[in-house]
Amino acid sequence: GAGVSQSPRYKVAKRGQDVALRCDPISGHVSLFWYQQALGQGPEFLTYFQNEAQLDKSGLPSDRFFAERPEGSVSTLKIQRTQQEDSAVYLCASRRQAPKDEQYFGPGTRLTVT
Amino acid sequence: AQSVTQPDIHITVSEGASLELRCNYSYGATPYLFWYVQSPGQGLQLLLKYFSGDTLVQGIKGFEAEFKRSQSSFNLRKPSVHWSDAAEYFCAVGTASFTGGGNKLTFGTGTQLKVEL
Repeated sequence: GAGVSQSPRYKVAKRGQDVALRCDPISGHVSLFWYQQALGQGPEFLTYFQNEAQLDKSGLPSDRFFAERPEGSVSTLKIQRTQQEDSAVYLCASRRQAPKDEQYFGPGTRLTVT
Repeated sequence: AQSVTQPDIHITVSEGASLELRCNYSYGATPYLFWYVQSPGQGLQLLLKYFSGDTLVQGIKGFEAEFKRSQSSFNLRKPSVHWSDAAEYFCAVGTASFTGGGNKLTFGTGTQLKVEL
């Protein structure tokens, strides 16, 4: 079956523009995570959904970042008024449900803010 | 809060040599521990995981890791490295909690492995 897919794979935005990053999780996976990976760093947690409920958004760096998963499947991470420090790879992961289940990662979206 | 330290940023080994990548974690309770591998332009692939039980866990591609509670370590090993193992390796710690972060993963900064032919 298909894995986690993300689009676009690459995005270049001018500073101040809004961007939307899409994640298609594995079908039937209840849990969905967004991570941010800066160059040379490990991924850092942004936010977590269980079905359509956003249960933790403690990792979102500012109120310019917003995520949604309205029907409990596809998720969108939106960044408003992008800044240069937002340049990173944004990874989405989905998990069947339980903490013991594996998180499957997508290939990521590389965002470059110029 | 949990944290992970991977003290080696870069490691170079010869093909066929053994490999050990170090990982130390900080977490108050029994952690869930993971090793992921990331090739350029690719997502993260799970190599192995530890939740409980046998402290020596086997993973894919011939990798294994040993959980040592007394040392707060979860080092990754492979007896004979192949050129295709060149990649970046991340150790991560998760929690058992469904709520809050829902078992969000906290990653180390990674170890870049180079394999010399």
